[in-house]
Amino acid sequence: SQQGEEDPQALSIQEGENATMNCSYKTSINNLQWYRQNSGRGLVHLILIRSNEREKHSGRLRVTLDTSKKSSSLLITASRAADTASYFCATANQAGTALIFGKGTTLSVSS
Amino acid sequence: EAGVAQSPRYKIIEKRQSVAFWCNPISGHATLYWYQQILGQGPKLLIQFQNNGVVDDSQLPKDRFSAERLKGVDSTLKIQPAKLEDSAVYLCASSPLKRDRGVGNTIYFGEGSWLTVV
Repeated sequence: SQQGEEDPQALSIQEGENATMNCSYKTSINNLQWYRQNSGRGLVHLILIRSNEREKHSGRLRVTLDTSKKSSSLLITASRAADTASYFCATANQAGTALIFGKGTTLSVSS
Repeated sequence: EAGVAQSPRYKIIEKRQSVAFWCNPISGHATLYWYQQILGQGPKLLIQFQNNGVVDDSQLPKDRFSAERLKGVDSTLKIQPAKLEDSAVYLCASSPLKRDRGVGNTIYFGEGSWLTVV
């Protein structure tokens, strides 16, 4: 079963604009991760935020976590065409041994 | 550092035929995962190994899917007989042995093996 649900399902923006995608999850977590998947490729880890953190930055990425609302957001600033990809949030399964992924947000950045 | 290697990259088979996928994880990674990703969806965990033991195979359709990890390194995933709904990308991933449940481990994915069942 899927733990996280990303929103929106699809997002189209122009280069230079910011892209925000959201993730909602159902059960309590120790941490939440975001992954990117380019078309036809495997997933690549972007960032991990722990349950006791509210915000984390990595380059042009900013992730927030609100455990009271069971939600997280991923912000990509000054987007580039190369950011075109699907983005997934992931949380641990009940046993804490593996990751469960949402359905993802497909981002298209046009130049 | 070499990444997770998978083969074949692409496979087309007829329904009721069999197929096998191979995975070589990152050197030293104790945990190996097989995920199934149907087009337009997120990856779904099929099976997880730690060294050569199965940790979780609750979502593996055991009537047709099997997986093994001999010697705790390489792994193979087999489907026999294949059905049309098995058309998907099969992603192998690995991660180091988790030491702190609170920290969380990054999972490293291979490029996937694309299966089309016709």
